[in-house]
Amino acid sequence: EDKVVQSPLSLVVHEGDTVTLNCSYEVTNFRSLLWYKQEKKAPTFLFMLTSSGIEKKSGRLSSILDKKELFSILNITATQTGDSAVYLCAVVTGGSQGNLIFGKGTKLSVKP
Amino acid sequence: KAGVTQTPRYLIKTRGQQVTLSCSPISGHRSVSWYQQTPGQGLQFLFEYFSETQRNKGNFPGRFSGRQFSNSRSEMNVSTLELGDSALYLCASSFFPGGGLETQYFGPGTRLLVL
Repeated sequence: EDKVVQSPLSLVVHEGDTVTLNCSYEVTNFRSLLWYKQEKKAPTFLFMLTSSGIEKKSGRLSSILDKKELFSILNITATQTGDSAVYLCAVVTGGSQGNLIFGKGTKLSVKP
Repeated sequence: KAGVTQTPRYLIKTRGQQVTLSCSPISGHRSVSWYQQTPGQGLQFLFEYFSETQRNKGNFPGRFSGRQFSNSRSEMNVSTLELGDSALYLCASSFFPGGGLETQYFGPGTRLLVL
């Protein structure tokens, strides 16, 4: 059975800290890995990763994929209170019927 | 450009009833996907429609169905509601036809409560 596991499930840090969120997966027919930020309702897209070892960056956020060890990390440097959210990792599988499998998410709380 | 819209935003139903949720994608987007989010199971993919055809389907029972109209608007139907169907139902749209699941924008969701 395909699965995506995120760790930790929750995390509390102070402003200015650096955090690393983890996502491991076991799926058949991997196509891509996605990271989302969900603050209240609608998840917003952060990154799409398809190739190993290539870091994607957007401001203070960065992510990388390791297709050999089947995991990805999301780094946030110099955290701010606005980074408080649930961060979701999802894997897209291909084949005759594509599917999108989400992890349970990591709830990040950034204290002032 | 207006975002993805979902109606209604909140809904209360009783067990055994059926419900229809609506999703209007971003103008020009032809792919629409549906998701269920619960505290216990997290976010789960229901199905994806493109050009009025179901392209992908998650692991949900047949009580969950959907359709897409020629204007790309989509509806999701749940029949014989169960307490466990209480959830936030999210819709997402995408323009990119080949990789709809990777490049999508989410709507605000419909919160369904089954009593």
